[in-house]
Amino acid sequence: GQSLEQPSEVTAVEGAIVQINCTYQTSGFYGLSWYQQHDGGAPTFLSYNALDGLEETGRFSSFLSRSDSYGYLLLQELQMKDSASYFCAGSTDSWGKLQFGAGTQVVVTP
Amino acid sequence: GAVVSQHPSRVICKSGTSVKIECRSLDFQATTMFWYRQFPKQSLMLMATSNEGSKATYEQGVEKDKFLINHASLTLSTLTVTSAHPEDSSFYICSAHNPRGLSSYNEQFFGPGTRLTVL
Repeated sequence: GQSLEQPSEVTAVEGAIVQINCTYQTSGFYGLSWYQQHDGGAPTFLSYNALDGLEETGRFSSFLSRSDSYGYLLLQELQMKDSASYFCAGSTDSWGKLQFGAGTQVVVTP
Repeated sequence: GAVVSQHPSRVICKSGTSVKIECRSLDFQATTMFWYRQFPKQSLMLMATSNEGSKATYEQGVEKDKFLINHASLTLSTLTVTSAHPEDSSFYICSAHNPRGLSSYNEQFFGPGTRLTVL
């Protein structure tokens, strides 16, 4: 199985940069995904890392280090609409099966 | 991106009744779909993997006789909560993997979720 750990909550002001770390333990690992979920909504895909290194998509970037079993999501130029829960999720097979971390609540203040 | 729908979005039922939730991939074929359950302020817990044309694969601790999954076509999977009880009240979300998607290899597309309340 897998376990993924991430901080429970992060608070930051508009325009700031936030890094959400995720460490994982797994018996089978294909890659690390990141999802955003607003209250009452469905998760939406943000980023995926199969290989070590940094993936950049607009204001969001994600990083993976397989040797350290560690990844992070970087949120830049924070906006109020970025207030949401962010989940890291490990892929355990090639068909997309995901194991989710507990989620990090990001609170953006004016 | 690909679209996944769920129906109903919200359902309230009496204890002991059964509830069926549908998950459809609208613009792609999904041989594999996944069902999750999410309690308030908690993470998504994978319940089962739904495979088109074969039996679902359930995660440890999930009762297969209580949560019946049928994946009858490449665009439809259903989850039936049988003999529902108040502790089954939760947010049920499905997702589908689009292996032919042009986006990231492992992107999953989630349905909007179904909020089940059992009285």
